[in-house]
Amino acid sequence: GAVVSQHPSRVICKSGTSVKIECRSLDFQATTMFWYRQFPKQSLMLMATSNEGSKATYEQGVEKDKFLINHASLTLSTLTVTSAHPEDSSFYICSAAGTGNEKLLFGSGTQLSVL
Amino acid sequence: GESVGLHLPTLSVQEGDNSIINCAYSNSASDYFIWYKQESGKGPQFIIDIRSNMDKRQGQRVTVLLNKTVKHLSLQIAATQPGDSAVYFCAENSGGSNYKLTFGKGTLLTVNP
Repeated sequence: GAVVSQHPSRVICKSGTSVKIECRSLDFQATTMFWYRQFPKQSLMLMATSNEGSKATYEQGVEKDKFLINHASLTLSTLTVTSAHPEDSSFYICSAAGTGNEKLLFGSGTQLSVL
Repeated sequence: GESVGLHLPTLSVQEGDNSIINCAYSNSASDYFIWYKQESGKGPQFIIDIRSNMDKRQGQRVTVLLNKTVKHLSLQIAATQPGDSAVYFCAENSGGSNYKLTFGKGTLLTVNP
């Protein structure tokens, strides 16, 4: 069945390095994907909307040059955290919507820890 | 009972009891609402949804109630089980699309055996 696969599930990196997180739709084509960030004991905050073949739309306060989003195909969106700093440490979650009226599906999340 | 923690309200119930989790949503223009369950270290899992033209919808062991007058949503879980322990979020489509969601604060449900 339709699943959203997110990889990696956990990543630890040094401050100043860049980290790429992948979000794949399996068994369906995702015209739109969403990226969320979640700090401990808090809710999911929408960072950006990723549309296949066009530029992502970022929410207010999210730096587009720091959080690069690429949605180059109907099954893959990537989020790159550039020049990561400890304050970027968080749980990042993607979700994907298909071309019909299907339910929004979520990935399993990526725990990013920046040392 | 229910209490408000630093960021996350908590609800503690006994196994077998019914649980009621409440949510106040923010946008009167929202017309689609969803409840999600999130276990530690995992992504949200869909539980049940409701559209604004309804005030009640039932699933397996779960019921969602919508009161548009006071912008209130509730999730009722019947015969709560230890496996129901998780954080529960309500979400609304305040962006106009079914998919662009705004999440509520969440409630941590703990089921005691």
